[in-house]
Amino acid sequence: DVKVTQSSRYLVKRTGEKVFLECVQDMDHENMFWYRQDPGLGLRLIYFSYDVKMKEKGDIPEGYSVSREKKERFSLILESASTNQTSMYLCASSSTESGNTIYFGEGSWLTVV
Amino acid sequence: RKEVEQDPGPFNVPEGATVAFNCTYSNSASQSFFWYRQDCRKEPKLLMSVYSSGNEDGRFTAQLNRASQYISLLIRDSKLSDSATYLCVVNMENTGNQFYFGTGTSLTVIP
Repeated sequence: DVKVTQSSRYLVKRTGEKVFLECVQDMDHENMFWYRQDPGLGLRLIYFSYDVKMKEKGDIPEGYSVSREKKERFSLILESASTNQTSMYLCASSSTESGNTIYFGEGSWLTVV
Repeated sequence: RKEVEQDPGPFNVPEGATVAFNCTYSNSASQSFFWYRQDCRKEPKLLMSVYSSGNEDGRFTAQLNRASQYISLLIRDSKLSDSATYLCVVNMENTGNQFYFGTGTSLTVIP
């Protein structure tokens, strides 16, 4: 089974803090994604990466950055957290060889106070 | 216009009922289609892929209509455990392997 692991499940941070969300997948997938999910808005793509050190902006990249130094790891960084970044963050991975199915981590619940 | 649209519901059905969800997509170049299930405060999980010929997995049947650009999910003999949000997902490889998600259809199965 594909395993996508988000190490931080529940975080509470103060406005202005720097926040790191880590994600690791164990299936050698080339594509990795970060989404946020808010009630009534569905899943919104923040950034994705199709290879090591490659990144592409999604629909809502403002206020976020990402890092992919190794194929299995994709990090989301909030340089200066704000209250409107309170959300559930979902990491995902996919591969053409796996039929383009997307697999999600368990999610990271971030509250910014 | 959204890439993928679903009726958000909620659908409230009694146990044993048959319920159907539809989803429309706007880009005719779409390649792959899926239904995901998401429980409250959990991550989406793959329920089934949707193939052009239609496919069935137990009580669940998925259909794809490329001409009309919609996919459907039929759940027969609904169980209490089917209560969840069902997400329609479309993949368009010509956009760099990005996925497009519906906002989900909420189903509650009532005893």
